[in-house]
Amino acid sequence: AQSVAQPEDQVNVAEGNPLTVKCTYSVSGNPYLFWYVQYPNRGLQFLLKYITGDNLVKGSYGFEAEFNKSQTSFHLKKPSALVSDSALYFCAVRDAAFSGSARQLTFGSGTQLTVLP
Amino acid sequence: DTGVSQDPRHKITKRGQNVTFRCDPISEHNRLYWYRQTLGQGPEFLTYFQNEAQLEKSRLLSDRFSAERPKGSFSTLEIQRTEQGDSAMYLCASSLDRVNSPLHFGNGTRLTVT
Repeated sequence: AQSVAQPEDQVNVAEGNPLTVKCTYSVSGNPYLFWYVQYPNRGLQFLLKYITGDNLVKGSYGFEAEFNKSQTSFHLKKPSALVSDSALYFCAVRDAAFSGSARQLTFGSGTQLTVLP
Repeated sequence: DTGVSQDPRHKITKRGQNVTFRCDPISEHNRLYWYRQTLGQGPEFLTYFQNEAQLEKSRLLSDRFSAERPKGSFSTLEIQRTEQGDSAMYLCASSLDRVNSPLHFGNGTRLTVT
């Protein structure tokens, strides 16, 4: 079975400071990893994904994420936070084998990011 | 930008009534997913279609729930004899037919069962 853990329910950061939102995962095979953002009363918006190759992936709105296989982590980062980044962030994983129950994405429980002006 | 469209955005119903939600995916996407999200939680997988074939259903999808995608385009999710525990946001997503394709989500249908 595949699973995702987001250990922090809430992250607060001052505007202009770097931010990190943590994610660890568990799959039986190789992972495909995704970050999504959700604004109030809206669906999820795709930010970035790791499939293979370079461990540092860049995505929308200046976000990036670092894949660490040994630590089974995929933390989301941004060098300088904006107030408009305040939202709910979800990490998701899918087993690259994509068979059986692994066809769907499994999401973490989310981290509420608040960027303080 | 024709993204994923869901209708209605909000639905309030009384316990025991039936409700039906509609999802129109991005036109070139042949995969369609339904997820359920409750407050403070991540989306939970309900079911998945490839074209018109329903390939997988979660254990969360009790026999009161049924989903269809009759022509491989739009999909409907019906809940019969609604219960208060069905209150949630129901999210539809679509993707290309590649295992590493990201899901594109609609804005969801928020169901409140009174």
